[in-house]
Amino acid sequence: DSGVTQTPKHLITATGQRVTLRCSPRSGDLSVYWYQQSLDQGLQFLIQYYNGEERAKGNILERFSAQQFPDLHSELNLSSLELGDSALYFCASSPQGTSLGYGYTFGSGTRLTVV
Amino acid sequence: AQTVTQSQPEMSVQEAETVTLSCTYDTSESNYYLFWYKQPPSRQMILVIRQEAYKQQNATENRFSVNFQKAAKSFSLKISDSQLGDTAMYFCAFKNRDDKIIFGKGTRLHILP
Repeated sequence: DSGVTQTPKHLITATGQRVTLRCSPRSGDLSVYWYQQSLDQGLQFLIQYYNGEERAKGNILERFSAQQFPDLHSELNLSSLELGDSALYFCASSPQGTSLGYGYTFGSGTRLTVV
Repeated sequence: AQTVTQSQPEMSVQEAETVTLSCTYDTSESNYYLFWYKQPPSRQMILVIRQEAYKQQNATENRFSVNFQKAAKSFSLKISDSQLGDTAMYFCAFKNRDDKIIFGKGTRLHILP
């Protein structure tokens, strides 16, 4: 157990629908990062939050949004889902926003299948 | 923009052999960190080893070591005495002061019995 909790582990939904993925960071970690991993591909950075504030955005679609709550858990909302959104979505956390040497601690991911 | 390139999509080696995974990166920054992550079939992302750009000494973690060539922007991972449990996807990754980790596309490594 890495300490980063993602729910649900698996999600199957239809095109056009909206889903919410949830992430609880490791205790004490202030930064949360979301990544998308399509089949047999690398990890694409979506968005980062630090202590409740958006800090950096990657190639996140306008149909996707995220937020980090006061208790530091984060949610990634995916709407108007398309078949191509099927992927493994990872959440990761790190202790500080500017700690260069820290790698991330990853959750086990949410496998999203759009049918 | 920073980029990370892994030129070997897939590799296979016999158990107990040594294998080296290649990685190159591109950046204009002088201070950064490099990482290797392992993703076994369980899909969990596991940090294997990290290297600070300012340190000339290559990082080592048990059977895992790196060959960091800063001028060449090269960061290869060597796995010694490979084990069946080393079978996984390996991602090279780069992080600078933006605090965002950029991953390569990965190398799928098969350890054969």
